[in-house]
Amino acid sequence: GENVEQHPSTLSVQEGDSAVIKCTYSDSASNYFPWYKQELGKRPQLIIDIRSNVGEKKDQRIAVTLNKTAKHFSLHITETQPEDSAVYFCAASSTYNTDKLIFGTGTRLQVFP
Amino acid sequence: NAGVTQTPKFQVLKTGQSMTLQCAQDMNHNSMYWYRQDPGMGLRLIYYSASEGTTDKGEVPNGYNVSRLNKREFSLRLESAAPSQTSVYFCASSRTGTGGHEQYFGPGTRLTVT
Repeated sequence: GENVEQHPSTLSVQEGDSAVIKCTYSDSASNYFPWYKQELGKRPQLIIDIRSNVGEKKDQRIAVTLNKTAKHFSLHITETQPEDSAVYFCAASSTYNTDKLIFGTGTRLQVFP
Repeated sequence: NAGVTQTPKFQVLKTGQSMTLQCAQDMNHNSMYWYRQDPGMGLRLIYYSASEGTTDKGEVPNGYNVSRLNKREFSLRLESAAPSQTSVYFCASSRTGTGGHEQYFGPGTRLTVT
């Protein structure tokens, strides 16, 4: 079945350092890869997404890279700040319906001042 | 613009009781979703609706039913609650179409089944 693996499950960094979260997906037909941020007790919110016809996308301090051959994609956060502390989820679209997403199990990022 | 709203925010049920979780969106989206979130498991799709009158099973549909009442509302029903259904439930909505679209989530319902 379709599967998305996400690593690491927890990540601790010092403020100002970079953080990288990696995901692999099983279905080569997946073509949409969003990343969601969920603060404690809040709802998930989209922070960045990438489609299969693009290898990299950047938005200020966050960037996502996609390697379709290897079936993996990564979230990069530079110059981390305490407010970046949250759980981050990657997802990949289902083969059968691009509206359906398969989520990874999440990465808890802690940024220490 | 309220976005996606859900009721109730919290609920405690006894095993075997039934209840309906309500969800509404005011963004004129065609697609709506119900997810459950358990510790260490991420978000898992329970049911999906591409438009009024259509529903489709997700990864974990057993024990649940849904109704897409109209374009705005999508409800999730537990007919006979079990402790394994203790979870946080999120409703979401999005535009429909190829290429994928941002999903907007509601605030969630924390359900405990004893």
